[in-house]
Amino acid sequence: NAGVTQTPKFQVLKTGQSMTLQCAQDMNHEYMSWYRQDPGMGLRLIHYSVGAGITDQGEVPNGYNVSRSTTEDFPLRLLSAAPSQTSVYFCASSYGGRGGGKLFFGSGTQLSVL
Amino acid sequence: DQQVKQNSPSLSVQEGRISILNCDYTNSMFDYFLWYKKYPAEGPTFLISISSIKDKNEDGRFTVFLNKSAKHLSLHIVPSQPGDSAVYFCAASAEGTYKYIFGTGTRLKVLA
Repeated sequence: NAGVTQTPKFQVLKTGQSMTLQCAQDMNHEYMSWYRQDPGMGLRLIHYSVGAGITDQGEVPNGYNVSRSTTEDFPLRLLSAAPSQTSVYFCASSYGGRGGGKLFFGSGTQLSVL
Repeated sequence: DQQVKQNSPSLSVQEGRISILNCDYTNSMFDYFLWYKKYPAEGPTFLISISSIKDKNEDGRFTVFLNKSAKHLSLHIVPSQPGDSAVYFCAASAEGTYKYIFGTGTRLKVLA
């Protein structure tokens, strides 16, 4: 059972480039989310989804887009990368999203924007 | 506006002693709380959770205490082991939402 799979593990971008961070889960979880981890800032919620076709903004959504066309996949798009988006990105999923819906995390994508 | 706060960035404890990690929150609507452990270059892993209808939850060496009036929760690890050395995050969510808000983390170092 793979759990939550993130690709790529590492990525270097130039300012202004766009890219998509991939996230897939094989646990049939309804809830999926994206976080970024920065020193001294903890894990901050970017976007989340409570099911296919339903997405919503988290704490720091600017500069990122998401879509959820299937239960399994929840890609995160950077439209025009900026140095402030240099971070480690984590995707997480949960079966229920509420009370008992503990989050399962992927291993992360380390992104550097030059 | 940090809704979930972990005011101690780091903590060192001797092996075998108790580790106490603290977390404060400001949103009175939060009613479900979780603790996660994170090793370098890995994703966070779930440790233990508690809902607001309880004030304590135990799982082996890990116990979480919730004080709703103080908007405070703590994680106790007894006895602490060197393998517990990691960054610990607390997280919270509110009834009717699907947002899990995390704190800034506390780096625990257990000294052998």
